[in-house]
Parts: sequence; structure tokens; C-alpha cells
Amino acid sequence: GEDVEQSLFLSVREGDSSVINCTYTDSSSTYLYWYKQEPGAGLQLLTYIFSNMDMKQDQRLTVLLNKKDKHLSLRIADTQTGDSAIYFCAEYGNDMRFGAGTRLTVKP
Amino acid sequence: DGGITQSPKYLFRKEGQNVTLSCEQNLNHDAMYWYRQDPGQGLRLIYYSQIVNDFQKGDIAEGYSVSREKKESFPLTVTSAQKNPTAFYLCASSTQGQGVPYYGYTFGSGTRLTVV
Repeated sequence: GEDVEQSLFLSVREGDSSVINCTYTDSSSTYLYWYKQEPGAGLQLLTYIFSNMDMKQDQRLTVLLNKKDKHLSLRIADTQTGDSAIYFCAEYGNDMRFGAGTRLTVKP
Repeated sequence: DGGITQSPKYLFRKEGQNVTLSCEQNLNHDAMYWYRQDPGQGLRLIYYSQIVNDFQKGDIAEGYSVSREKKESFPLTVTSAQKNPTAFYLCASSTQGQGVPYYGYTFGSGTRLTVV
């Protein structure tokens, strides 16, 4: 398909790990990004990964990139209620393309 | 602090009115973008500008207009030709080093437009 695809909803318990998945479209995409959007706010860049990397870790966040399958994932360790938000993946090839966003709900 | 400011946060439009959404950045970014966000549909690009006095249509430009007279400012006008303008509008900016937005886009906090 031509769209960046994400599942729309994910619900986890506080303290568990969350894994948000994304399938992107362009095998030549140079950068891939994860953004977080809290209610009524703009998007905040969480992390990005260059296409020549397989993994990037930043504190509780781990990004995995499988270029062969054009699959990107974001793992949030020890998920907290403050992590409840919408998470967007995005790819940059010739232009920036965003997924529809995954709404993460963290239950206490 | 550097950032990107959108105003107003909430805007109400009557049928047949044009309204203008403001977007100002002090990040010295060359490129600026306008997106529309509807529930469950992600972000759709309305217009973008890579340099002053130049801008291009995005995927859903019909019923919208923009100007880029200053590097810092990229206002969006929602015209009466836009039949379904109720949405959340996001402005963003980025560097354009060799055509690639290093470190992604910086977003404003959005304007929620409602038709009354």
C-alpha cells in the first residue's frame, strides 16, 4: 500500500512494556521518526532513526528498524500513565509521510 | 526559548466566512508546513513553503490559501470554499539541510477550528 500504516489502538497496564508497530512505504526513506501527541497539543518528536541503523535506544524508548520488511517499532519500557497519548510514526524519503497514529492507553 | 507559535488556540467560523490562522517561528527554519488533523485520519498536508515568497500545494489545498512574506511567518486562510473546515490545524517547521529535514519537524500547539 501507499500509506504508512499503524494500528489505531493499544492498551497496556502501568509498568508493562508497550510496543507500537508501523509499516512504512518507501524502502529508500532516509529517516524514520516517532512523535507523541497529547490531547489538544501538537506533535512532539520522541526519537528518530537513520535508515542505516537497526536499533536505537534512548532511556525507556527502543526503536527497531527492519528495512527488509519496512517495519518500524517503538518499545516503551515500564509504561506510565503519563505515556498515554497518540503516537505517530513518520518516514522521510522525498517528502514526510505520517501514519494515522496509535492511541496508547495506560491503565493503572 | 525558540519555538513555533500558533494562534488562536480555538477559532469559530460562521458559514461563508474566511478566517486566518497564525503561525510564527523563531527557530530560523527555512521550511514551514500546514497540516489538517481529523480524528482517526492522521495528518494531511495542506500547503508547504521551503523559502520566502514561495509555497506549494499539498494533498488537500482546495479551499485554503497561504502566504510567506517573512521567513518567520506562514499564515493559513480557510476560505468559504472549504466546505468542511472543522478540524485541528497544525503548523510545523524544519531545517532543510540538503533537502532533508534533520531531526524531523517542530510542531506548534495547534488551532481548533469549528464552524458554527
